[in-house]
Amino acid sequence: SQQGEEDPQALSIQEGENATMNCSYKTSINNLQWYRQNSGRGLVHLILIRSNEREKHSGRLRVTLDTSKKSSSLLITASRAADTASYFCATCRLSGSARQLTFGSGTQLTVLP
Amino acid sequence: GAGVSQTPSNKVTEKGKYVELRCDPISGHTALYWYRQSLGQGPEFLIYFQGTGAADDSGLPNDRFFAVRPEGSVSTLKIQRTERGDSAVYLCASSLGQGYTEAFFGQGTRLTVV
Repeated sequence: SQQGEEDPQALSIQEGENATMNCSYKTSINNLQWYRQNSGRGLVHLILIRSNEREKHSGRLRVTLDTSKKSSSLLITASRAADTASYFCATCRLSGSARQLTFGSGTQLTVLP
Repeated sequence: GAGVSQTPSNKVTEKGKYVELRCDPISGHTALYWYRQSLGQGPEFLIYFQGTGAADDSGLPNDRFFAVRPEGSVSTLKIQRTERGDSAVYLCASSLGQGYTEAFFGQGTRLTVV
């Protein structure tokens, strides 16, 4: 089952604009991660935010986490055509031996040149 | 190697056949994960290894699926009596230690059952 659900499913913007993607989840988490995937193959880790953090930055990426609302957002500023990809949030629970990283269904971002 | 390596990159097999998919994790990574991804969906968890043992196999869909990691490094995902519904990209990832940090993914094996 997939816990995280991204919103929107698809997003199309012009180069230079900001892109915001949202993720909602259902259970308590240890951390939440965002990944990027090109062409349906390997995923690349972008950023990890722990449950006791509220905001984190990495280059043009900004992630927020609201554990009371069980939601996160990923902001990509000054987007580029090369940012075109699918973006997934993934939640991590640490419970006993369980170490599942549970992915949502993703947001397909298209940045138009 | 520098990254997670998966072989083969593509596999076409006939319904009912047995297949093995291989994953070579990053050297020193004790945690290894298998995921399955269908078109337009996010990766679906299958199994997690810590060292040689399967610490969480709750995602394996049925007993046709089995995975091993005998020496705590390379892992093999085995699928018996393949069905057309098994067609997907199978992704392997590895990470350091038991506490979950970032996972490094391979490029996946695209399995097509005809």
